Amino acid sequence: EAQVTQNPRYLITVTGKKLTVTCSQNMNHEYMSWYRQDPGLGLRQIYYSMNVEVTDKGDVPEGYKVSRKEKRNFPLILESPSPNQTSLYFCASSPRPVGGIADTQYFGPGTRLTVL
Amino acid sequence: QQQVKQSPQSLIVQKGGISIINCAYENTAFDYFPWYQQFPGKGPALLIAIRPDVSEKKEGRFTISFNKSAKQFSLHIMDSQPGDSATYFCAASMRTNFGNEKLTFGTGTRLTIIP
Repeated sequence: EAQVTQNPRYLITVTGKKLTVTCSQNMNHEYMSWYRQDPGLGLRQIYYSMNVEVTDKGDVPEGYKVSRKEKRNFPLILESPSPNQTSLYFCASSPRPVGGIADTQYFGPGTRLTVL
Repeated sequence: QQQVKQSPQSLIVQKGGISIINCAYENTAFDYFPWYQQFPGKGPALLIAIRPDVSEKKEGRFTISFNKSAKQFSLHIMDSQPGDSATYFCAASMRTNFGNEKLTFGTGTRLTIIP
């Protein structure tokens, strides 16, 4: 089954304790993104990756890091989490555009993070 | 600033009625306008999308109306059913220099269909 998986689905942590949220896709997609979803703000892009070892900042990258060492995996790293990073996080992937037409993004199930 | 403005924030519609959600955008570089449906505990899933060269797209009970000159687009759900109860996000996309799609989302509308 084609899917984007995230782990963990729920996480409660304390300020300053480094954490990693994993994301994996089995569709051989080149593009992957991380979003955070907050009430009243919709989804905002944190980072995205165009391919292995190629990443760039989205709209709200402060406090986050990413890496893309393998095509299927795109982990989100919070080196020193703070309470304002309490949010619902989504990973997404999409294939290389065909015929110049970009395809849609496929989202994972989400990770609910609480930073105390 | 919010580049894609969505309204209303919440909407209650009687079963069988028409649900209408509106979005407006500013950036004329946007070239793809998808709508996503999200159920509790799930990620957003593409529902229907339109490109600016057409004014309307219909898929089953779901229709997008697009007004390029007004920079507005809307989702219409005909014969709304309780199973349509979800949060709906409009989005606008532009192609980056890398060829991928960069999505900018609206703030979401929580739709509730009552019997």
